[in-house]
Amino acid sequence: AQSVTQLGSHVSVSEGALVLLRCNYSSSVPPYLFWYVQYPNQGLQLLLKYTTGATLVKGINGFEAEFKKSETSFHLTKPSAHMSDAAEYFCAVKDSGAGSYQLTFGKGTKLSVIP
Amino acid sequence: EAQVTQNPRYLITVTGKKLTVTCSQNMNHEYMSWYRQDPGLGLRQIYYSMNVEVTDKGDVPEGYKVSRKEKRNFPLILESPSPNQTSLYFCASSSRGGSTGELFFGEGSRLTVL
Repeated sequence: AQSVTQLGSHVSVSEGALVLLRCNYSSSVPPYLFWYVQYPNQGLQLLLKYTTGATLVKGINGFEAEFKKSETSFHLTKPSAHMSDAAEYFCAVKDSGAGSYQLTFGKGTKLSVIP
Repeated sequence: EAQVTQNPRYLITVTGKKLTVTCSQNMNHEYMSWYRQDPGLGLRQIYYSMNVEVTDKGDVPEGYKVSRKEKRNFPLILESPSPNQTSLYFCASSSRGGSTGELFFGEGSRLTVL
């Protein structure tokens, strides 16, 4: 069984400051890991994903995340926050095994950017 | 434009009055799924479908029905809605049977049951 824990339901940063959103997972097999973003009054859209290969993955809008197997983490970062980054962010995990289709979401972290 | 379209976007109804939320995708995706989003609980899967005529329960299927008669459509049916089904609902689709984990979401349907 998989689970995802996002530390902090709300995170506030100043414009231009580092964004760090934390995600830890548990999975019995090597996972696929995702970050999705939800802007106000919209559906979720894929920000970035890790499947295999390089553990540092880059996504849209300057975001990146690093898969750390030893820490079972997949934290999302952006060097400099922009007002347009204000949104809710969801970490998700899926088993990498063939025939695995279930995507498990974390409870989300709402990011506020202070001017 | 590739998209997942849900209707209605907003609906207020009363307990027990059957309703259907439609979902259609134009990307020829095999996999489709319904989620509900509630504050503090994140997204929880209601039902999913691997392909036409193949559906299965997710984590919170009670009180819901689905059908998949055509590849592009995956309606969510609430036979007798109750106030605890007040929520924001999302339909999503994916290629390759959902094995990639890359979901395309609709814009959501906000349902209020009085």
